[in-house]
Amino acid sequence: SQQGEEDPQALSIQEGENATMNCSYKTSINNLQWYRQNSGRGLVHLILIRSNEREKHSGRLRVTLDTSKKSSSLLITASRAADTASYFCATPNGNKLVFGAGTILRVKS
Amino acid sequence: DTDVTQTPKHLVMGMTNKKSLKCEQHMGHRAMYWYKQKAKKPPELMFVYSYEKLSINESVPSRFSPECPNSSLLNLHLHALQPEDSALYLCASSQVLGRAGELFFGEGSRLTVL
Repeated sequence: SQQGEEDPQALSIQEGENATMNCSYKTSINNLQWYRQNSGRGLVHLILIRSNEREKHSGRLRVTLDTSKKSSSLLITASRAADTASYFCATPNGNKLVFGAGTILRVKS
Repeated sequence: DTDVTQTPKHLVMGMTNKKSLKCEQHMGHRAMYWYKQKAKKPPELMFVYSYEKLSINESVPSRFSPECPNSSLLNLHLHALQPEDSALYLCASSQVLGRAGELFFGEGSRLTVL
């Protein structure tokens, strides 16, 4: 069963704009991960944020984690057409990594 | 490019066929995973191997049979599949099981069951 729920389900923006995706989860976690999937391809790990961290940056990516609200957000700044993909949050559930429903991002050039 | 290699990239099979999906990694990872992904859905865990032993089976039907011949290889044997089994099958690996670390995914095998 899904641990995380994401919103929006789909997001369409212009190149250069920022994109924000949100993830909510149900149980206590020790970390949360974000992955990107280009259409029909494998998933690529973007960033991992631990439960004792509130914010983490990697290039144009900024991730926040609010454990009191059981939520996380992924911000992509200055988006590019190449950022068009599906984005999934993932949380550990025992020995399993469970993926949220995902957000489909389309960046128009 | 990914360090996890899956073959074949595409597979079409009939319901009476027997086929196999293969996955290989040379990162020294000791945990390997099979996920199934339907269109516009998240990946769903099927099996996990840890140190070449089956650790998790998510109540997958027996027409899917995993095998881990050694620490670098993971197979998924397919027999008597149904059309609803058509999906993208993703292999992944991680350093070890249970530390909730990063998963490295292959590009997937797109399976169509006729």
